[in-house]
This record gives sequence, structure tokens and C-alpha cells, in this order.
Amino acid sequence: DFAMTQSPLSLPVTLGQPASISCRPGQSLVNDIANTYLTWFQQRPGQSPRRLIYKVSNRDSGVPDRFSGSGSGTDFTLNISRVEAEDVGVYYCMQGGHWPPTFGQGTRVEIK
Amino acid sequence: EVQLVESGGGLVQPGGSLRLSCAASGFTFTSYAMSWVRQAPGKGLEWVSSISHSGGSTYYADSVQGRFTISRDNSRNTLYVQMNSLRAEDTAIYYCAKEVAGFGTDFDYWGQGTLVTVSS
Repeated sequence: DFAMTQSPLSLPVTLGQPASISCRPGQSLVNDIANTYLTWFQQRPGQSPRRLIYKVSNRDSGVPDRFSGSGSGTDFTLNISRVEAEDVGVYYCMQGGHWPPTFGQGTRVEIK
Repeated sequence: EVQLVESGGGLVQPGGSLRLSCAASGFTFTSYAMSWVRQAPGKGLEWVSSISHSGGSTYYADSVQGRFTISRDNSRNTLYVQMNSLRAEDTAIYYCAKEVAGFGTDFDYWGQGTLVTVSS
């Protein structure tokens, strides 16, 4: 299966400061020229996953613009420009371009 | 508003069976593939199974192949998974998820999940 490696696995952040989560697929992730299926999900405590970012850098409706996604090939990043209390939770990347779909281990974001 | 509501979870003994349901609303159910994704207690997310919009094609993770059967009733807007020969390692919250395009490419909506506990 297509391994997805996230780092760090735990990320303590000060309110108002930026945060960055890395996701590295084991192989280059390019489905076709128009579609790289790299997705970011947020899972708040006690809740189900919520999609934040799709196809690397497209923000879902209702997602604050402090969240952004970037990257290509084997190096992808989720950035939070200024962490707020409601951002606490676990963040997962997922690849959907190579069967079967696989998730990263998750990065736990907490407030210092 | 898209809603996915799972049900059917519970406590079952090893070797037992359980059928989970996912009632969908707020979108044209018949137009989209659907999937099940699970999360063991305190662990990450694991894709389990997918089914095409018509139900004609199904896919399974190696860990459940031969034991789980995914199906759907498009007249009832409902997704199912029949789980047989359950093992302790199948203990998890099971989420149904709506596919965006194709199989396993992207999940844009998730249900609240239903907990399955396999224990004697």
C-alpha cells in the first residue's frame, strides 16, 4: 500500500502562532495533470473527520482562510497561519490517487 | 445539507456478525460511490470498503476481504456493510463517507460513526 508519513505527530502551538504539518507519500503522488488527490482532514475531539483541503490546495466551503495546503510530488504541507483554540484536534492527510486509499498517522495539534 | 447517519453498532463476540447501516440525505445518493472507513480506539483512519454508485462494483481492504460485504439500496438511500467472522481487531468506530469522484479518491462528507466492539 501507498505509505503516507506525517510529521510531526504532536504539535504544541501557542495561540496566534503559525503551525505547519508535513505529509510525505512514499512515492510521487500525481494522478494526472489535473488531479492530485491529496486531502487534509481535521478531527476535533469526539467528532468525525471533516474535510478541510482537497486536491492539495483547495479549501472547503466554510473553512477559515488561515488554513492552506501546498506541495507536489512527495512533499505536501498543511499550514495554519494563526492557530485558534478551535483548531485543536488531529489532522490527517490522505492520498486517493493510488489504490487503495491511505491515510497518514495523524498529527495532534494542541495549545501550549 | 448532506447528512450521513450510521447505525447498527454494538458489542459482539469474536466470530459473530453485525450489519451496519448508513442513511444518506441531502444529495443524489444514486450518483455517488460510497465507502466505509474505520478508526480503532485511539488510532488513525483506515479505509475498509467502497461501492460504486450502482452497487455493481465493490472493493475491500485486505484486512476484511472475505468477511465483510458492502451493499447499498438506492431506493432507500442507504449504505450497508455486513460484517461476519468478527475479530477483536475489528473493534472500531465505523464511518460511512461519501465519495467525490471514483473510488477512494476523496471523501467530502462523513457520518458521525457507529462503534463496533468485538469482545467476549
